[in-house]
Amino acid sequence: GAGVSQSPRYKVAKRGQDVALRCDPISGHVSLFWYQQALGQGPEFLTYFQNEAQLDKSGLPSDRFFAERPEGSVSTLKIQRTQQEDSAVYLCASSRDRNQPQHFGDGTRLSIL
Amino acid sequence: QQQVKQSPQSLIVQKGGIPIINCAYENTAFDYFPWYQQFPGKGPALLIAIRPDVSEKKEGRFTISFNKSAKQFSLHIMDSQPGDSATYFCAASKPGTYKYIFGTGTRLKVLA
Repeated sequence: GAGVSQSPRYKVAKRGQDVALRCDPISGHVSLFWYQQALGQGPEFLTYFQNEAQLDKSGLPSDRFFAERPEGSVSTLKIQRTQQEDSAVYLCASSRDRNQPQHFGDGTRLSIL
Repeated sequence: QQQVKQSPQSLIVQKGGIPIINCAYENTAFDYFPWYQQFPGKGPALLIAIRPDVSEKKEGRFTISFNKSAKQFSLHIMDSQPGDSATYFCAASKPGTYKYIFGTGTRLKVLA
């Protein structure tokens, strides 16, 4: 597609459930990023992939957060045993390579009840 | 630790006015400063970016002014329109890195 595609757009889950968020980057973009955006705040870096390799996961807030990109294209962010503080918009971005401008998807709004 | 401070938090201008959004950074290693525009329910969209070797950059109605000695940069929107009403984020990154450090955002409203 022309842009970064994320699904679902909205996700409501009960506390303790596991969730999976999908990102389909721009075709040909080797770099993929996940950000978390709390209400009224700027995005905060979570993790970075170069092709299928996860080169940086320093922003993941806990070991309940896990991301993968097994074939170097689509990526999934998984959150296990969700907590209320996980409620946020999760943004995915991609770029041609790590030093090129990042292009964002419209995000998944996650609400934990 | 907030490495990029953005102000004001919100801004209201009349159509045709020139809103100015300011950002200040602490880390002198930053060398790339993009500005993003975000509409409700949408992801941030890259507007314009600058590197410290220039003091000003223009793209259409958007201008970045950069003051390296003061560690400050600002976004000016010329002839603002109601369609410019959105949240604007400044960001910064270090050489050879991909981590953008975002400001807290400025919610701009342009009155018709």
